[in-house]
Amino acid sequence: GAVVSQHPSWVICKSGTSVKIECRSLDFQATTMFWYRQFPKQSLMLMATSNEGSKATYEQGVEKDKFLINHASLTLSTLTVTSAHPEDSSFYICSAGTGGVSSYNEQFFGPGTRLTVL
Amino acid sequence: KQEVTQIPAALSVPEGENLVLNCSFTDSAIYNLQWFRQDPGKGLTSLLLIQSSQREQTSGRLNASLDKSSGRSTLYIAASQPGDSATYLCAAPNSGGSNYKLTFGKGTLLTVNP
Repeated sequence: GAVVSQHPSWVICKSGTSVKIECRSLDFQATTMFWYRQFPKQSLMLMATSNEGSKATYEQGVEKDKFLINHASLTLSTLTVTSAHPEDSSFYICSAGTGGVSSYNEQFFGPGTRLTVL
Repeated sequence: KQEVTQIPAALSVPEGENLVLNCSFTDSAIYNLQWFRQDPGKGLTSLLLIQSSQREQTSGRLNASLDKSSGRSTLYIAASQPGDSATYLCAAPNSGGSNYKLTFGKGTLLTVNP
């Protein structure tokens, strides 16, 4: 099956610093990648949708200047949390689809990145 | 806007029992529905994906059904084992047609006691 990796798996940073999380599709080309956030004992909430070579589409309430998304290639998307604060501490999960936003193929999920901001 | 509800929020059963997890969604014009498993602190493992044209899918001891007209899906786990303990999430694509954003339920926390 399709494999999606994330790096790092966990990160601790000081308040005010920026953190970059990578999401890679290892054995397929992902025209669309999705970034989710999950707070403790909560479900996954979609943050943004990114398509290779174009700007990401952010969900309502998600600050695009704070959560920078770059989908530079068909196998890599990055999420940068800028000027992180303790309230940004969360579990960030990416997923990748093979068919673009108008396809209804299965999404494949990464293992997640645990971000703790001190 | 798609809304997904899962019942029960938590379930504790003895090993060997058969069990059913429920998922309901508000927009029945879905193209598929997915069931996932999440272990504590981990990512998601896809269990089953049911296309809108299908009524059920089976994988080993797992069977998922889909009734679009009533906006419901169930995940049946046969002969449960302690290793099945995890949070089970269902997800449906958002309404709106041309996109493929998933809306997740809050999950059912399953504990199978040895």
